[in-house]
Amino acid sequence: EVQLVESGGGLVQPGGSLRLSCAASGFTFSSYEMNWVRQAPGKGLEWVSYISSSGSTIYYADSVKGRFTISRDNAKNSLYLQMNSLRAEDTAVYYCASTFCSGGSCYSGWFDPWGQGTLVTVSS
Amino acid sequence: EIVLTQSPATLSLSPGERATLSCRASQSVSSYLAWYQQKPGQAPRLLIYDASNRATGIPARFSGSGSGTDFTLTISSLEPEDFAVYYCQQRSNWPPEYTFGQGTKLEIK
Repeated sequence: EVQLVESGGGLVQPGGSLRLSCAASGFTFSSYEMNWVRQAPGKGLEWVSYISSSGSTIYYADSVKGRFTISRDNAKNSLYLQMNSLRAEDTAVYYCASTFCSGGSCYSGWFDPWGQGTLVTVSS
Repeated sequence: EIVLTQSPATLSLSPGERATLSCRASQSVSSYLAWYQQKPGQAPRLLIYDASNRATGIPARFSGSGSGTDFTLTISSLEPEDFAVYYCQQRSNWPPEYTFGQGTKLEIK
């Protein structure tokens, strides 16, 4: 069974840092592009970052560029998001999500499956 | 930045009825549009990709249509488990831009 499990969320003060992790199982993690998507409480979805299967290509949303760093360790089947200079507006549930693949093809920009999410609260 | 506008914000229907949800893009996204379902306390689930293709395991009562700027998600006959929030999303791979609509809440009437 494909499973993505996020961890590392919590309460942090403005300007602080936090590192999120996403543990993958049930599929060949090293073959899949991965993403972080967030959802502020009671709000909609916002794509945060993308990383290719090898880690050589990385993209960020403008809202987090220069503050967040995505990375992966294929040997550990893990995805990470290092978040620095955190702001109140970064408060959200953070989901890791794989690029959707079906019938031997993968479709960058479509997200499935998703983890259950981890809550990050930025507040003093 | 491409903006997606979903309508209505809330749709109240009964089980067995047909649901029609709309998503309008501020500029053409060709057929690069997806639909997701999110239930309370759960992660989103991909329903439709490339405007009209059902994702793995999605029931046939879900269908998507449209191209360019106007898209529709149709649920032919609502089941109790279909009441949820639905998001549309567009993808632009260069420059990379993945944006979501604000969501439509489908509630039981």
